Amino acid sequence: EMVMTQSPVTLSVAPGERATLSCRASQSVSSKLAWYQQKPGQPPRLLIYGASTRATGIPARFSGSGSGTEFTLTISSLQSEDFAIYYCQQYDEWPLTFGGGTKVEIK
Amino acid sequence: QVQLVESGGGVVQPGGSLRLSCAASGFTFSNYGMHWVRQAPGKGLEWVAFIRDDGSIKYHADSVKGRFTISRDNSKNTLYLQMNSLGTEDTAVYYCATISSTSWGFMDVWGKGTTVTVSS
Repeated sequence: EMVMTQSPVTLSVAPGERATLSCRASQSVSSKLAWYQQKPGQPPRLLIYGASTRATGIPARFSGSGSGTEFTLTISSLQSEDFAIYYCQQYDEWPLTFGGGTKVEIK
Repeated sequence: QVQLVESGGGVVQPGGSLRLSCAASGFTFSNYGMHWVRQAPGKGLEWVAFIRDDGSIKYHADSVKGRFTISRDNSKNTLYLQMNSLGTEDTAVYYCATISSTSWGFMDVWGKGTTVTVSS
């Protein structure tokens, strides 16, 4: 089973600053990597797929990069609505697996 | 507008069974594969099962294989998850989600979830 490891577990960022989240796969997943945002009491929301393609309606301040085993989600200028938990997920092989999440909190 | 509404959650004793449903609207359900994903209290996301648009291909996570079965009724625009031999480790919010138009492998639109609690 593919293991997805996210770091850091918690990221403290001030509004307006940049946030950089990491996701590492235990083996190559090519570019088959998605990112989701989840706020308390809500279902996850798809942000990025194909490692770098923004989903419909996702603001340009969210960007994804990477391939193989190392991936990054960058939020260029954090807005109040961006404080949430972020998950990466590989879809290169079954079973599909998620990382443990990074909580982005207000500094 | 795409909408997914899960139902069927509740409290069940260990060893019991439940059937979850996911009612779909706002899109051509029969053209899309579907996933179930769960989230234990205070924990991360865990993929549970996938079914192809026509039901011909199904995958289940090892943690539920042999106990849970995903199915669908395209005439009713409804996805199901039959859960048997439930254990306390199955306590979670269960979400249904559509695939995208580009890949089976990630979840595009999510329902709000239904809560399953396994407890004596």
